[in-house]
Amino acid sequence: EVQLVESGGGLVQPGGSLKLSCAASGFTFSSYGMSWVRQTPDKRLELVATINSNGGSTYYPDSVKGRFTISRDNAKNTLYLQMSSLKSEDTAMYYCATDGFDYWGQGTTLTVSS
Amino acid sequence: DVVMTQTPLSLPVSLGDQASISCRSSQSLENSNGNTYLNWYLQKPGQSPQLLIYGISNRFSGVPDRFSGSGSGTDFTLKISRVEAEDLGVYYCFQGSHVPRTFGGGTKLEIK
Repeated sequence: EVQLVESGGGLVQPGGSLKLSCAASGFTFSSYGMSWVRQTPDKRLELVATINSNGGSTYYPDSVKGRFTISRDNAKNTLYLQMSSLKSEDTAMYYCATDGFDYWGQGTTLTVSS
Repeated sequence: DVVMTQTPLSLPVSLGDQASISCRSSQSLENSNGNTYLNWYLQKPGQSPQLLIYGISNRFSGVPDRFSGSGSGTDFTLKISRVEAEDLGVYYCFQGSHVPRTFGGGTKLEIK
């Protein structure tokens, strides 16, 4: 059974940093691209980062480019999202998902507020 | 960016009714290799989105056959033939044909 378990969310002040993790199991993690998707308080879904299977290629939309960094450790079956220069508009539930978006984790919440 | 527009925003139904949700993209989702990457998701209350339909009309593993997808180009439809209580929640369409990949704004299926 495919499982994706996110962790690391919390309350951060504007301008702060945070690193999210996603532990994967039940499939060959190193063979799949992965993504982070966020759901804002108004329930809108937005792709925020994608990484290919070996970590050699990444994608970010303009809204997070230069502030967010996606990475992975295939030996640990873990996906990461390093977030910096956080803004209030980054407040959301963050999900990791397989790159076909066929499996999603349960999400971890980030709140950016002073 | 490709804008995905869903209608209606809210769909009140009675259990056993048929339900239909529309998704329109701002440009054709058929890409240069002839494939159309259009998915449908259901997000039940308190849960993460779950894949229902991929590639316009293919049901994901375990999805009941009362769910069906159709369409082409810029216009797509999700139909639920006989709504059951477990089908309630927010439905999202998604396009993976163009970068950045984008989601629709959601349609809430609720009891009338």
